[in-house]
Amino acid sequence: DTEVTQTPKHLVMGMTNKKSLKCEQHMGHRAMYWYKQKAKKPPELMFVYSYEKLSINESVPSRFSPECPNSSLLNLHLHALQPEDSALYLCASSQDWGTDSNQPQHFGDGTRLSIL
Amino acid sequence: GQSLEQPSEVTAVEGAIVQINCTYQTSGFYGLSWYQQHDGGAPTFLSYNALDGLEETGRFSSFLSRSDSYGYLLLQELQMKDSASYFCAVRETTGNQGGKLIFGQGTELSVKP
Repeated sequence: DTEVTQTPKHLVMGMTNKKSLKCEQHMGHRAMYWYKQKAKKPPELMFVYSYEKLSINESVPSRFSPECPNSSLLNLHLHALQPEDSALYLCASSQDWGTDSNQPQHFGDGTRLSIL
Repeated sequence: GQSLEQPSEVTAVEGAIVQINCTYQTSGFYGLSWYQQHDGGAPTFLSYNALDGLEETGRFSSFLSRSDSYGYLLLQELQMKDSASYFCAVRETTGNQGGKLIFGQGTELSVKP
């Protein structure tokens, strides 16, 4: 078990559906991340929130919409996804955002998303 | 920009020692990290080297040579549960993206009985 909790663990949805992925951490971390990971590939950064504000959007299509309701929660709203969006979606958190020292990222187990 | 290279696959037997190498090209450098990811699981932080030399944590050690832009992860007394993917990573050094981790493509380690 990890200290970053993601729900649901698995999600199957059609291309016209709307769904949300949820992430929660209670480590007091101020930076939270969404990553997309395809099989046998490294995680690809999608979004970064620092102190509940969006700091980085890696040119992600608008069918993915992140939200940070408070310092412990991070959501990813999904709408009109494409089959190529099928992947493992990982949430992570770290103490802060920036280049300072060693700030490891703590990952959740991910949501395995399949688009029909 | 940053780029990292590591072998795609490594196979070893239980009880052996294995070394996973990582070379990087960066315009700046804030240290080299290693993450482990079991199939279907979360990436887990293993180690971080900011300075040259060897860092040891139990059966795992990580080495860095900044002059050679090279590091490695050393796994000793291999166990079946060490079968996983191992990613080296550096931090982005440009603009406001300094907290962004750049991952290598990952090395899939298979430990055989």
